[in-house]
Amino acid sequence: EAQVTQNPRYLITVTGKKLTVTCSQNMNHEYMSWYRQDPGLGLRQIYYSMNVEVTDKGDVPEGYKVSRKEKRNFPLILESPSPNQTSLYFCASSSRILATADTQYFGPGTRLTVL
Amino acid sequence: KQEVTQIPAALSVPEGENLVLNCSFTDSAIYNLQWFRQDPGKGLTSLLLIQSSQREQTSGRLNASLDKSSGRSTLYIAASQPGDSATYLCAGSGGGNKLTFGTGTQLKVEL
Repeated sequence: EAQVTQNPRYLITVTGKKLTVTCSQNMNHEYMSWYRQDPGLGLRQIYYSMNVEVTDKGDVPEGYKVSRKEKRNFPLILESPSPNQTSLYFCASSSRILATADTQYFGPGTRLTVL
Repeated sequence: KQEVTQIPAALSVPEGENLVLNCSFTDSAIYNLQWFRQDPGKGLTSLLLIQSSQREQTSGRLNASLDKSSGRSTLYIAASQPGDSATYLCAGSGGGNKLTFGTGTQLKVEL
């Protein structure tokens, strides 16, 4: 089954404790992206990647890091989480490099709470 | 900076009604537009994609159109069903690799 998976689905942590949210897709997609969703603000893009070792900032990259060492994986790293990073996070992938010209497939989301 | 407004923010209709959801962009230079559905506790599911050379797309009871001159899109749902209850999001692109999302319309279809 074609899908985007994220782990963990739920995470409660404390300020300053480094964490990684994993994202994996089994569709051999070129493009992957991370979004956060907050009430009243909609989805905002954090980082995206057009291919292995190629990443770029989205609208809200501060406080986040990403890496794309393999085509199928695109982890999101919070080196020192803060309470304002409490949010619902989504990973997405798309078959084309120009992601907006093709359907985006979303993972189920990771709900992160930073105390 | 591109901003996307979706109207209404919430909508409750009886089963069987035809309905229209609206989406407008502050920058009318929209290259591609997608409509998504989001169910509670789940990710987004793509419904329709209108690419640069198109003006509308249809899938089953859903029809989406894009007026590039005004930067407005509508999603038409025919003969609504309780299973259509969800949040509907539109997202547009100016041609690059960035999608800008609206905040969504929460739809409830009642029996």
